[in-house]
Amino acid sequence: QVQLVQSGTEVKKPGSSVKVSCKASGGTFGTYAINWVRQAPGQGLEWMGGIIPMFGRTNYAQKFQGRVTITTDESTTTAYMELSSLRSEDTAVYYCARIKSGSRGDMDVWGQGTTVIVSS
Amino acid sequence: DIQMTQSPSSLSASVGDRVTITCRASQSISSYLNWYQQKPRKAPKLLIYAASSLQSGVPSRFSGSGSGTDFTLTISSLQPEDFATYYCQQSYRDYTFGQGTKLEIK
Repeated sequence: QVQLVQSGTEVKKPGSSVKVSCKASGGTFGTYAINWVRQAPGQGLEWMGGIIPMFGRTNYAQKFQGRVTITTDESTTTAYMELSSLRSEDTAVYYCARIKSGSRGDMDVWGQGTTVIVSS
Repeated sequence: DIQMTQSPSSLSASVGDRVTITCRASQSISSYLNWYQQKPRKAPKLLIYAASSLQSGVPSRFSGSGSGTDFTLTISSLQPEDFATYYCQQSYRDYTFGQGTKLEIK
C-alpha cells in the first residue's frame, strides 16, 4: 500500500523559493507518476505539474512553467517540488499525489499536504 | 486548456436524499473524468475514476456517469459523512479540476 508523507509547514518571504518533499513508501517507486496540486485558502484544486521517476520526464502546467521544478531521488523514494519567485498568492496547501502507471490519470493516493505561507 | 465547470457550486440536502452533481468539459474528454471528495483540512479522496468506475473501498451509493463533455456524480442516499466538497477532474490532456461543489446539510 503506497503512502505519501510530506514535509512540514514553510514560511517564506516574497521573492524566495520553497522546496517541499514527498516521501513514498510501499509500492515500487519510479513506476508511477507523482503530481503536485495546490489549494489556496478557501479555493479549489490546481494542478501544477508531475514527474515519472523511472523516465525522469516532467510535465508542468503552463501557469507555472519557469517557476516550478519537480524532481525525484530514487535512492530515498522522495519527490520534490520547488517553487521560486514566491509571492503572496502562492500561499496555499501543496499536495503530492500518485497516478498509477496504466491508469487514466486518476490520483488515487495523496500526501497529507504541506502549508506554505508567503509573507513579508 | 480544457476548462471544467461544475454545477451547482453549493447544494443543501438532507440525510437520505438523492443528490446529483454535474460537470461539463469545454471539449470532449472521452471518459477521462475523475471525481474526488474533500473534507475540511484533509487531502482529496478519489471516489470515481474513468467516469463511472468506483474506487476500491468507496461505498456503492456513489456512482458516476457520462462521456464526452457531460458527466454526473450521484449519491443515492446521503449519509452524514458525505457532507463535503466534491471536485471533478479531467485527465484527457494534462489535468484540470472543476471549481468544486460544496454539499451542506439542510
